[in-house]
Amino acid sequence: AQKVTQAQTEISVVEKEDVTLDCVYETRDTTYYLFWYKQPPSGELVFLIRRNSFDEQNEISGRYSWNFQKSTSSFNFTITASQVVDSAVYFCALKTLGDDMRFGAGTRLTVKP
Amino acid sequence: NAGVTQTPKFRVLKTGQSMTLLCAQDMNHEYMYWYRQDPGMGLRLIHYSVGEGTTAKGEVPDGYNVSRLKKQNFLLGLESAAPSQTSVYFCASSLGTSNQETQYFGPGTRLLVL
Repeated sequence: AQKVTQAQTEISVVEKEDVTLDCVYETRDTTYYLFWYKQPPSGELVFLIRRNSFDEQNEISGRYSWNFQKSTSSFNFTITASQVVDSAVYFCALKTLGDDMRFGAGTRLTVKP
Repeated sequence: NAGVTQTPKFRVLKTGQSMTLLCAQDMNHEYMYWYRQDPGMGLRLIHYSVGEGTTAKGEVPDGYNVSRLKKQNFLLGLESAAPSQTSVYFCASSLGTSNQETQYFGPGTRLLVL
């Protein structure tokens, strides 16, 4: 069965701190896709990144970076120099062939000024 | 482009009442999905559609029905609402049949069943 675990329910940091959101997944498939979504207080879900299982290169987009490690089945998300606008619930998700998208329970990030 | 839109944004129902949630997308996407979001549980798939005129069950389909009469619209129906259906409902769409396709979400509908 496919499963995504986001063990951190809530994280609170002060502005300009770096923060890492953990995501651990389970699947027996060799081909799969991993996603991160952001849900700001306004409630919508915003797509951040997609990664396929054959590409373990880390990705950086501005202050955001993602570390994909198949050896530990993890797809962690780091925000550098966090800002108040980063406050949101972040979801990690897994998609495999023939199965529904599986979401983690989410991590609520609060960035205090 | 408006992307994915949902109607209504918020609704209060009494137990046993029925209602329909409307999802519309203007991206010409083939796939559409309905999820519910409950505290501490992430999003769970209710039903989905791989094209006009087709629907399929997801992880939590009981108590819901769907229809996809037009490619751009995906309707979610509650025939007899129950308090357990109090949730936030999200519609999503994706481009095609490839497993890698990103799903794009609507703004959500908050439903309270009393």
